[in-house]
Amino acid sequence: NAGVTQTPKFRILKIGQSMTLQCTQDMNHNYMYWYRQDPGMGLKLIYYSVGAGITDKGEVPNGYNVSRSTTEDFPLRLELAAPSQTSVYFCASDLGYTFGSGTRLTVV
Amino acid sequence: ILNVEQSPQSLHVQEGDSTNFTCSFPSSNFYALHWYRWETAKSPEALFVMTLNGDEKKKGRISATLNTKEGYSYLYIKGSQPEDSATYLCAFDNTDKLIFGTGTRLQVFP
Repeated sequence: NAGVTQTPKFRILKIGQSMTLQCTQDMNHNYMYWYRQDPGMGLKLIYYSVGAGITDKGEVPNGYNVSRSTTEDFPLRLELAAPSQTSVYFCASDLGYTFGSGTRLTVV
Repeated sequence: ILNVEQSPQSLHVQEGDSTNFTCSFPSSNFYALHWYRWETAKSPEALFVMTLNGDEKKKGRISATLNTKEGYSYLYIKGSQPEDSATYLCAFDNTDKLIFGTGTRLQVFP
């Protein structure tokens, strides 16, 4: 039972590049979330999903896309990376009871 | 727009002091209020989930109260220790998502 697994842990992107942040949970939770953490701003909700095939925008969805084809996986996609997307990203499941270890992304 | 506010933003106390912080949230569409402890370079760790007005929860030296009618929750730490140093986050739960406050950063000096 691994809980919520996020990969990669660190990544540096150039402006305009794309990447996918992976999030997988093995607890059969329906609810999954993506947050970003900016200094002094706490956690802001990017996107969330209440079950396979269902996704919804959170507070700061612009510049991101998600999909939820299975219960286990909830990848977050950045299509055209911008410096404003430099942040630490956390995936969570089960209404925030379980968080992944985070992905530190820097866009230069 | 749902607004969750925490105060103070940061707090420095001496070892052995007791302390408390506040979380304010919307009083409508309330389902639950979550408290987390978040150490630097780690993931947030769930402390409490509170659902009923007047709820009180306790975990060791940490306790929390909830007032859903006026939209606030207090987190108390009795006899603070250096290992309590962390950011304490609250989150408003309206059944399908959590809206987080900006946190209270606590530093406990020996």
